[in-house]
Amino acid sequence: AQSVTQLDSHVSVSEGTPVLLRCNYSSSYSPSLFWYVQHPNKGLQLLLKYTSAATLVKGINGFEAEFKKSETSFHLTKPSAHMSDAAEYFCVVSVGDKIIFGKGTRLHILP
Amino acid sequence: DAGVTQSPTHLIKTRGQQVTLRCSPKSGHDTVSWYQQALGQGPQFIFQYYEEEERQRGNFPDRFSGHQFPNYSSELNVNALLLGDSALYLCASSADPGGTQYFGPGTRLLVL
Repeated sequence: AQSVTQLDSHVSVSEGTPVLLRCNYSSSYSPSLFWYVQHPNKGLQLLLKYTSAATLVKGINGFEAEFKKSETSFHLTKPSAHMSDAAEYFCVVSVGDKIIFGKGTRLHILP
Repeated sequence: DAGVTQSPTHLIKTRGQQVTLRCSPKSGHDTVSWYQQALGQGPQFIFQYYEEEERQRGNFPDRFSGHQFPNYSSELNVNALLLGDSALYLCASSADPGGTQYFGPGTRLLVL
């Protein structure tokens, strides 16, 4: 069985400082991993995905994530936060056609 | 290229009523999945349709049913609505059942 844990329900950073959103997963098989972003009252937008190619994945809006099998982690990072990054972020694990969402991390950007 | 579209955007119903939500997948996609997202929670998988058949189902009662049409669009039906069914209902499409999912804007359902 697979599962996904987002380690922080809320993260606050100042504008211009780095962002780190943490995600750990559990899977018996090689998973595909995704990060989605959800702005208030909007649907989910795909930020990036890992599907067993390069372990460092670059996504949209300057975000990237690194797949670390030894740590079963897929943390999302961005070098410099922007006010428009304030949103809910979901880490997702997929094995075959089973998809599990994390509970989400709310990112707050302080001016 | 149109993305995933859903209708209506908002809906208000009363307990016991029935509701139908609609989804058109992204062009070239043949698989549609439905999710329920309660306020402050992550999306919960309801079911997935492929080739007009329900392929897999999450932990939702039989009051939740669906359909996929030959043009790959889909409907989600909920009978005997409960207050707890109030949520954002998200539709996602993919090029195949295990493919990357692309989400629509959702339908916000309020049950009074």
